Amino acid sequence: GENVEQHPSTLSVQEGDSAVIKCTYSDSASNYFPWYKQELGKRPQLIIDIRSNVGEKKDQRIAVTLNKTAKHFSLHITETQPEDSAVYFCAANQAGTALIFGKGTTLSVSS
Amino acid sequence: NAGVTQTPKFQVLKTGQSMTLQCAQDMNHNSMYWYRQDPGMGLRLIYYSASEGTTDKGEVPNGYNVSRLNKREFSLRLESAAPSQTSVYFCASDRATYNEQFFGPGTRLTVL
Repeated sequence: GENVEQHPSTLSVQEGDSAVIKCTYSDSASNYFPWYKQELGKRPQLIIDIRSNVGEKKDQRIAVTLNKTAKHFSLHITETQPEDSAVYFCAANQAGTALIFGKGTTLSVSS
Repeated sequence: NAGVTQTPKFQVLKTGQSMTLQCAQDMNHNSMYWYRQDPGMGLRLIYYSASEGTTDKGEVPNGYNVSRLNKREFSLRLESAAPSQTSVYFCASDRATYNEQFFGPGTRLTVL
């Protein structure tokens, strides 16, 4: 089955800096890669996703890149703000299977 | 729309007690999921239901059972609770794979 590894487990940045979170997956058949954000005490919510037919996707300050050959994908947050502080989860799956999540990255943005 | 709802929000059980966590969605989604979240362990899939009438085991199914009562409702049952089942439980739903999953607010369960 699919296995998703996520690094780092914690990340501290200064406001305005960029943050990068990386994930690797094991099943080469996986072709859907979402990212979820979970604020303290809240439920996870989708922030961006990418499918295997594209290499990069952007939405304002966040972007995701995918390297299918190397089986890894990354979340990039630019111009970080205190409200970006949260736990971020990557996930992967293929058609007909359930999402498998990474263990999460706690991002702290200090002002 | 209420989205995904879960009951109860909090529960304390003694070892060996049983209980059922309820989940309902009003988005006409086909698939529903149960996860547990433990510190440093991420979201681990317990069971899922790809469509009404089907259920499948996830990564950590031992000690749990599920029922897909109808398209809207998916319940999780602990027959004999153990301290290792202390966790936050999230229910989620989506239209199908490759689509956004919507999560419920979670149930914080403590087993003494």
